[in-house]
Amino acid sequence: EAGVVQSPRYKIIEKKQPVAFWCNPISGHNTLYWYLQNLGQGPELLIRYENEEAVDDSQLPKDRFSAERLKGVDSTLKIQPAELGDSAVYLCASSLGAGDQETQYFGPGTRLLVL
Amino acid sequence: DQQVKQNSPSLSVQEGRISILNCDYTNSMFDYFLWYKKYPAEGPTFLISISSIKDKNEDGRFTVFLNKSAKHLSLHIVPSQPGDSAVYFCAATINQAGTALIFGKGTTLSVSS
Repeated sequence: EAGVVQSPRYKIIEKKQPVAFWCNPISGHNTLYWYLQNLGQGPELLIRYENEEAVDDSQLPKDRFSAERLKGVDSTLKIQPAELGDSAVYLCASSLGAGDQETQYFGPGTRLLVL
Repeated sequence: DQQVKQNSPSLSVQEGRISILNCDYTNSMFDYFLWYKKYPAEGPTFLISISSIKDKNEDGRFTVFLNKSAKHLSLHIVPSQPGDSAVYFCAATINQAGTALIFGKGTTLSVSS
């Protein structure tokens, strides 16, 4: 069974440019998460989707970040405009969304460098 | 204020010996705990979990112990192997479907042969 797929794996952009990341969760997983991982830190949640609905976006900097999961399957996370401090790894994870104490499965991440 | 703390940034162990990774938490509402393992340039990989109704969970060489009164959990790897060298993250969540994981900063384990 395929795991969580993310693309691109690496992205280098200049500050003030836009950037987008894509994630395809494990088939059948209703819950999708975007996490941000800074160097030397653990992942931190940006946004959580239940199917196509964003149920927790309290940590998403909405002035420059946006996300969508239009058909309740794959998802896109966008930053516009990017700032130097956005350099980090952006991780996508998914879980079944069917019950309590579920395991979240992570993709390989997109490593963003803003110059 | 960190809710999940891994106070040892690194740990070095010889092959065949036991590795013990520690994690402390402050939020008494947490009732499900997970350990993830991360290799460079890869995403975190689920390793083992434990519910707050248990105090021990074992899976092969990996055992997680939970001490609720001390708000402390530990991951034991026996015997340690060079392939176990990675960053280990402790994570905690509250018992609701889809709740976000709260991660510690990770401990880098190095197993030498």
